[in-house]
Amino acid sequence: DVKVTQSSRYLVKRTGEKVFLECVQDMDHENMFWYRQDPGLGLRLIYFSYDVKMKEKGDIPEGYSVSREKKERFSLILESASTNQTSMYLCASSPGRSNEKLFFGSGTQLSVL
Amino acid sequence: AQTVTQSQPEMSVQEAETVTLSCTYDTSESDYYLFWYKQPPSRQMILVIRQEAYKQQNATENRFSVNFQKAAKSFSLKISDSQLGDAAMYFCAYAGNNRKLIWGLGTSLAVNP
Repeated sequence: DVKVTQSSRYLVKRTGEKVFLECVQDMDHENMFWYRQDPGLGLRLIYFSYDVKMKEKGDIPEGYSVSREKKERFSLILESASTNQTSMYLCASSPGRSNEKLFFGSGTQLSVL
Repeated sequence: AQTVTQSQPEMSVQEAETVTLSCTYDTSESDYYLFWYKQPPSRQMILVIRQEAYKQQNATENRFSVNFQKAAKSFSLKISDSQLGDAAMYFCAYAGNNRKLIWGLGTSLAVNP
């Protein structure tokens, strides 16, 4: 089975800290995605990547950056965490160029105090 | 721009009975994919069922089936013989030519014993 692993299930950080959320997939998928999930707002795409060292902005990239140095790893970076970035963060991957299904990690609940 | 609407924020069903979750979407594309994802309390999102727009036949996966009405832009999910493990948040999603998923806001399904 495909596994998408997010490094932390729960994370508490202080305002202004630099935060790294790590995501690793083990099925050689080309595509990787970062979403945030908030009650009443559903899933919103932050950044995505279709290949190594490639990244594209999603719908809400402000305040975030990403890194994809290796195919299996896609990192989300909060340069200076703010309280409005308190949220559930979901990483997902999918193979190829077709609209195949997404495989999700278990999510990281980030609290910024 | 494409949109996905789930008009039922919450639904409930008695164990062993049937429930239908609604989803409508708006698009000008002719080729696209539609998905239903399930997010249980464990938070890991998993694919329930996938429909390709060019296929007339409604997709079915065991107790889960869809009613895909392309002209009406409707994509409802029917869960038969509901089980306690079906209790979850259900998200409808659309994928068009740009491969980015457009998500509905979700329907929270409770299953009563």
